[in-house]
Amino acid sequence: ELKVEQNPLFLSMQEGKNYTIYCNYSTTSDRLYWYRQDPGKSLESLFVLLSNGAVKQEGRLMASLDTKARLSTLHITAAVHDLSATYFCAVDNISGGGADGLTFGKGTHLIIQP
Amino acid sequence: DTGVSQDPRHKITKRGQNVTFRCDPISEHNRLYWYRQTLGQGPEFLTYFQNEAQLEKSRLLSDRFSAERPKGSFSTLEIQRTEQGDSAMYLCASSLGPQFFGPGTRLTVL
Repeated sequence: ELKVEQNPLFLSMQEGKNYTIYCNYSTTSDRLYWYRQDPGKSLESLFVLLSNGAVKQEGRLMASLDTKARLSTLHITAAVHDLSATYFCAVDNISGGGADGLTFGKGTHLIIQP
Repeated sequence: DTGVSQDPRHKITKRGQNVTFRCDPISEHNRLYWYRQTLGQGPEFLTYFQNEAQLEKSRLLSDRFSAERPKGSFSTLEIQRTEQGDSAMYLCASSLGPQFFGPGTRLTVL
């Protein structure tokens, strides 16, 4: 069974600081997704990582994928308050021989304080 | 609006009642997914359609749950004899590649 673990689950940080969220998964997969969710809202797609060594950047967020280590990271540079949200990583089951849905981590609840 | 839409956005029902939710995917997307999300957790996969065919169901989808996508366009998710444990956000997503999520239907079972 595919398992996806994120850490930390909760992060409070100051504006201007850098930090990294980690996502580990348990079976072979080469498709990993990062989503953002604001309170009471649905999920917004941030990044799609489709191969080993993939790195994508959008504004202050950068995501990377190491399929050999089964690890993805979401790095936040010079955080601003607007980035406060819950961030989920999700792994495509089908690459691991499972159903064609996503398995999500529990999410990282990020609060950025002035 | 060309995104995924869901209706209703909120539903409050009494235990034992039946409820039905609707999802309208992005028009050219042939794949449609249902997920359930409880407070403080990530979404959990329930079921998946490719066109009108339901290709996969999670073991989370008990006999009280049924989903259809009759013409390969919109989909419905019905929960019969609702229980308090069914209270959650029900999310629909559609895709050709990456999945795009709708706003969700929040179900509260009293």
